[in-house]
Amino acid sequence: AQSVTQLDSHVSVSEGTPVLLRCNYSSSYSPSLFWYVQHPNKGLQLLLKYTSAATLVKGINGFEAEFKKSETSFHLTKPSAHMSDAAEYFCVVSGATNAGKSTFGDGTTLTVKP
Amino acid sequence: GAVVSQHPSWVICKSGTSVKIECRSLDFQATTMFWYRQFPKQSLMLMATSNEGSKATYEQGVEKDKFLINHASLTLSTLTVTSAHPEDSSFYICSAPGARGETQYFGPGTRLLVL
Repeated sequence: AQSVTQLDSHVSVSEGTPVLLRCNYSSSYSPSLFWYVQHPNKGLQLLLKYTSAATLVKGINGFEAEFKKSETSFHLTKPSAHMSDAAEYFCVVSGATNAGKSTFGDGTTLTVKP
Repeated sequence: GAVVSQHPSWVICKSGTSVKIECRSLDFQATTMFWYRQFPKQSLMLMATSNEGSKATYEQGVEKDKFLINHASLTLSTLTVTSAHPEDSSFYICSAPGARGETQYFGPGTRLLVL
């Protein structure tokens, strides 16, 4: 079984300040973890993924995430928020041993204030 | 990278009619595809797993007779919403796993509005 918990349903930051979106996971095997972004009325865009290689993963648009097995966490960070980062973010766990099914977190809405 | 397409991107239909949504893997083969549904301001929920050459497997609570899935080939899966009702209005997204299975490639989604 696998599950994902996004600890914050809403995060609000000022433009230029750091972003932290928190994600904890549960998995009975070595998971693959992903962060996706969804802008209003749009599809999903992959930001980054962890698939058992380096624990610090760099993604697109300046985002990165660190896989911490001891804490079962995969938090998403960005040093400096842009207005264009305002969107919905989903943490996702998946695994080849689970027939490839993906389990989505409930999402975190990021608001960026000018 | 691998690309998954969906057609149509938008569909409006009358209550009681059926709607077919296509999901295609454009540059790779997929023996398995997944169908998700997303209601406004909610997360994606897995509806079913589409299997090429065999029956789809449905998640608990999803009516298999209402959401017909056909995996016609190694690059095409279709989802037919039969006798659609307004409560079926949603954003439907498909995905296909990459070669090693751990990365899912998502389609752009199909927005269904049932009047």
